This record gives sequence, structure tokens and C-alpha cells, in this order.
Amino acid sequence: DTAVSQTPKYLVTQMGNDKSIKCEQNLGHDTMYWYKQDSKKFLKIMFSYNNKELIINETVPNRFSPKSPDKAHLNLHINSLELGDSAVYFCASSGRAGGRTDTQYFGPGTRLTVL
Amino acid sequence: SQKIEQNSEALNIQEGKTATLTCNYTNYSPAYLQWYRQDPGRGPVFLLLIRENEKEKRKERLKVTFDTTLKQSLFHITASQPADSATYLCALVLSGGYNKLIFGAGTRLAVHP
Repeated sequence: DTAVSQTPKYLVTQMGNDKSIKCEQNLGHDTMYWYKQDSKKFLKIMFSYNNKELIINETVPNRFSPKSPDKAHLNLHINSLELGDSAVYFCASSGRAGGRTDTQYFGPGTRLTVL
Repeated sequence: SQKIEQNSEALNIQEGKTATLTCNYTNYSPAYLQWYRQDPGRGPVFLLLIRENEKEKRKERLKVTFDTTLKQSLFHITASQPADSATYLCALVLSGGYNKLIFGAGTRLAVHP
């Protein structure tokens, strides 16, 4: 069983389109995250939810909107896609929001290419 | 400005040798430092965590040191194997707040038979 899964694995789309990436974890964790890994390989946190509540919201364009329908799912919707949004997006989860020693478990990533 | 720096060049070593990877940081005060492994096309996988008041941590063939005066962590893989070839990322967790990881760009390690 995959602990943290993401769909789709690859996403190719045109500029200006709206797209969503889905993430699910079956680890029973309270906290989920979205990270972006750009072409230079830097992995940067975008958002974090704890039990459906947004707790981390980094400086990200408001075209990006996370949604957590329940604590096992965290989706990322992106409006009006731009070329610079091309990257690999990783979902992760960890046990507790305040558990700064808790291991984060990452999904396999979604490679988004904007043409 | 705040920075986390890892060797940008790939590290090539012979099988059986010890690989040493460096993580330096500037203008951060991390409470913890973590190391992750990332294989091509996959998500990072947690390896080790070290606290600010710990000098060294070991797990099997892995050893991490943490020097808050030098603002540096070293990651060692002893008796390296080709299967250890991957990109290794260091990540800081700051004091206070939530479990927010701040990653370096990673160092690619290639272990040759």
C-alpha cells in the first residue's frame, strides 16, 4: 500500500488553463503539506494543513489554492497556469502539526509542464 | 540573507570508501536538522534527524554531525555501495512554529564499483 499517493504523476497543459493535483495519505497523519521543486532542485514548502485547517501559507501566488476535504486528503488547485509554474509538486504528511521532530513522508511527485 | 548551501557539484567516490557531504547554513537558528535521500523521479525519504544540542547521530552506516557554532552539518556514509547513489538533501527545522522544513538544493552522490 502506498503511504502518500498523488495523482496525476504527469500533467502537461497550456498556459492559462486551470488544473488540480490530488494527494491522499493512509498513514493516519494529522498534517499534510505541499512542496514545489523547481528546475534547480530546491524543494520549497507552499502550504500545510493540520486536520483540515491551514497552518502554513508561504508566499505563493493566490492562483494556488489548497483544499483539504478531510485530514487524509489535500488537493492543490492552480488557476491561470503560467510557464513559471512548471515544476515537480510533492505532497507530504507527518503525524502532528507541532511535532517538529516528526518525520515527513513524501509522495512520488507530480511533474507539471506548462506549455 | 538566509541560505542553506550544499556541494553543488556531484560527489564521485569508489565503492567501499566513506562519502562525506556538507550542509552549511547562514542566518538561521535551527532547532533540528534532517537529512533526506531523493532518487530520480521520486520523493525525498527521511534518513536521520539531529537536534541542536546533539553533536553526532548514527544509524547503521550513516553518521551525521551538527556544529551550531560553525553552522554546519556533515553527513557520512561509510563502506559506500553503488546503491547509495542518489541526491542527499539537508533540511532545517526552525525553533518555534510548525514542522516546516527548509531544504538545501542537495548533493548528488555517485558511488562507482
